[in-house]
Amino acid sequence: EVQLLESGGGLVQPGGSLRLSCAASGFTFSSYAMNWVRQAPGKGLEWVSTIGGLGGSIYYADSVKGRFTISRDNPKNTLYLQMNSLRAEDTAVYYCAKLGGDLLTLADYWGQGTPVTVSS
Amino acid sequence: EIVLTQSPDFQSVTPKEKVTITCRASQSIGSSLHWYQQKPDQSPKLLIKYASQSFSGVPSRFSGSGSGTDFTLTINSLEAEDAATYYCHQSSSLPQTFGQGTKVEIK
Repeated sequence: EVQLLESGGGLVQPGGSLRLSCAASGFTFSSYAMNWVRQAPGKGLEWVSTIGGLGGSIYYADSVKGRFTISRDNPKNTLYLQMNSLRAEDTAVYYCAKLGGDLLTLADYWGQGTPVTVSS
Repeated sequence: EIVLTQSPDFQSVTPKEKVTITCRASQSIGSSLHWYQQKPDQSPKLLIKYASQSFSGVPSRFSGSGSGTDFTLTINSLEAEDAATYYCHQSSSLPQTFGQGTKVEIK
């Protein structure tokens, strides 16, 4: 059974940093690309970043480029999102999602999400 | 950026009714269109992949169709447990984008 468990969210001041983690199990982690997707309160889904299975291919939404860094530790089956220079508009629930294969495809399993609140 | 526009934004439906949600892409995306269901306080769940392929374990009352720019999610014989927000998602090109969502309420 595929399981994705995010952690690391919380309350942070504008300009601050957070590191999100996503622990994966139930599949061969290194064989699949992974997404971070966020959802602001009461809003829809927004793609944030994608990383390939071996970590060599990485993509970001323009809204986070230069501030967020996606990475993965395949031996630890863990996905990360380092978030720097946080803004109020980054407030959202952050989901990690397993992709169905390549970098540009469907997300077949999602974690339960971790909330991030950027506020002074 | 490919914009996905869903209609309607909201639908109130009686159980056993048929529900149709459309998703229109701002440019052709072939069949790289997927549908998700998100119930309140839950994470999204994949329903339909590549426009018309049902994901494993999804009830047969959910179906998808379309290609190019126009896509449809159909829920035949709506059940109370189908109350949720439904999103389309394109994986044809970066940035990946989602529709704004369609909230389905049970009357």
